[in-house]
Amino acid sequence: QKEVEQDPGPLSVPEGAIVSLNCTYSNSAFQYFMWYRQYSRKGPELLMYTYSSGNKEDGRFTAQVDKSSKYISLFIRDSQPSDSATYLCAMRFQAGTALIFGKGTTLSVSS
Amino acid sequence: DTAVSQTPKYLVTQMGNDKSIKCEQNLGHDTMYWYKQDSKKFLKIMFSYNNKELIINETVPNRFSPKSPDKAHLNLHINSLELGDSAVYFCASSPGEAGRTEAFFGQGTRLTVV
Repeated sequence: QKEVEQDPGPLSVPEGAIVSLNCTYSNSAFQYFMWYRQYSRKGPELLMYTYSSGNKEDGRFTAQVDKSSKYISLFIRDSQPSDSATYLCAMRFQAGTALIFGKGTTLSVSS
Repeated sequence: DTAVSQTPKYLVTQMGNDKSIKCEQNLGHDTMYWYKQDSKKFLKIMFSYNNKELIINETVPNRFSPKSPDKAHLNLHINSLELGDSAVYFCASSPGEAGRTEAFFGQGTRLTVV
């Protein structure tokens, strides 16, 4: 079993839809959780950063961490065509350790 | 003004050659990283440096050697290039506590070995 599982999609939604992206993980020792957005032929861009469990909101984006279920989510409200990209979840055990990435979910938002 | 810049952006070279990729960050961050993204877009850490000291060294062939001349630079030298080295290599940096989060990535260097 891979450490971090993420459905690669692709996921296609109409503009204005609510998008839910998810990752599951196997090791309960992960403490830091992140979501990145990567446009084609660009570097990943940090969207959300969460330590331990709970919710975090930033504009149209909400990140949720459920450590009891080993499940993290990213919600995008009022999705826009500019949200079309690959979304990568990532997590690490503690500061100074390697960041483990999911394989990314490709999202396409049509106008 | 670019935060994390890598050069070159594209690199095509023959098997057996030695090549270097340079990375510079102008953010004053303490920690820098090299990541490899394969053809399936899977992103995996290779090395991490904090204040010029190596703190993460994942299972990478010793043909790959990082060098950090100062806190703002982390270069990657690759000896005896192989076909399997073809990938996109990303440099990243983060502030403060080592390895807290990779806040900024460069635009990537697309390496093709022929």
